Amino acid sequence: AQKITQTQPGMFVQEKEAVTLDCTYDTSDPSYGLFWYKQPSSGEMIFLIYQGSYDQQNATEGRYSLNFQKARKSANLVISASQLGDSAMYFCAMSYSSASKIIFGSGTRLSIRP
Amino acid sequence: GAGVSQSPSNKVTEKGKDVELRCDPISGHTALYWYRQSLGQGLEFLIYFQGNSAPDKSGLPSDRFSAERTGGSVSTLTIQRTQQEDSAVYLCASSHRERGNTIYFGEGSWLTVV
Repeated sequence: AQKITQTQPGMFVQEKEAVTLDCTYDTSDPSYGLFWYKQPSSGEMIFLIYQGSYDQQNATEGRYSLNFQKARKSANLVISASQLGDSAMYFCAMSYSSASKIIFGSGTRLSIRP
Repeated sequence: GAGVSQSPSNKVTEKGKDVELRCDPISGHTALYWYRQSLGQGLEFLIYFQGNSAPDKSGLPSDRFSAERTGGSVSTLTIQRTQQEDSAVYLCASSHRERGNTIYFGEGSWLTVV
């Protein structure tokens, strides 16, 4: 069965520090995609970054990078130089070739301390 | 439009009433999704449309829930005889099946059943 696991319900980080949010996944599909979304307190879901299962290099988008370790089935999000505006819920998600939907993890609440 | 548009943004209804939630996807996006998010929880998949057909409606929690999409564009999620456990944010998303099917979300419809 397909599954996404986020083991950190909450994290506190000092402003300007780097932070890593953990995500592991399980799928038997050879082709899949991994995503991270940010959900601020206002509620909207904001797409951050995408990694395809066949991509050779880790994805990067500005301060966001995805540490993709295929053998370990992990897709951790790294935020460099954290800012107060990074405080939000972060969801890891996966799409897979045998289904059309995207499944989500339970989320990690990130709080940035000034 | 520029983004996924949902209406109403907030809805308070009495138990037993029917409600309709509307989603207008990003122009040109052929895939449309409905998710549900209860307070403090992750995202629960409800239904997926490709064009006007729904190849995956496996997440609809009961026969009180239905959805349709017309003209390959606007979708309506209908909840009949609402119950208090239906209270949640209903999120609509759309994609163009690019970048591994990255989906972009609307701001959600907050439903409260009293």
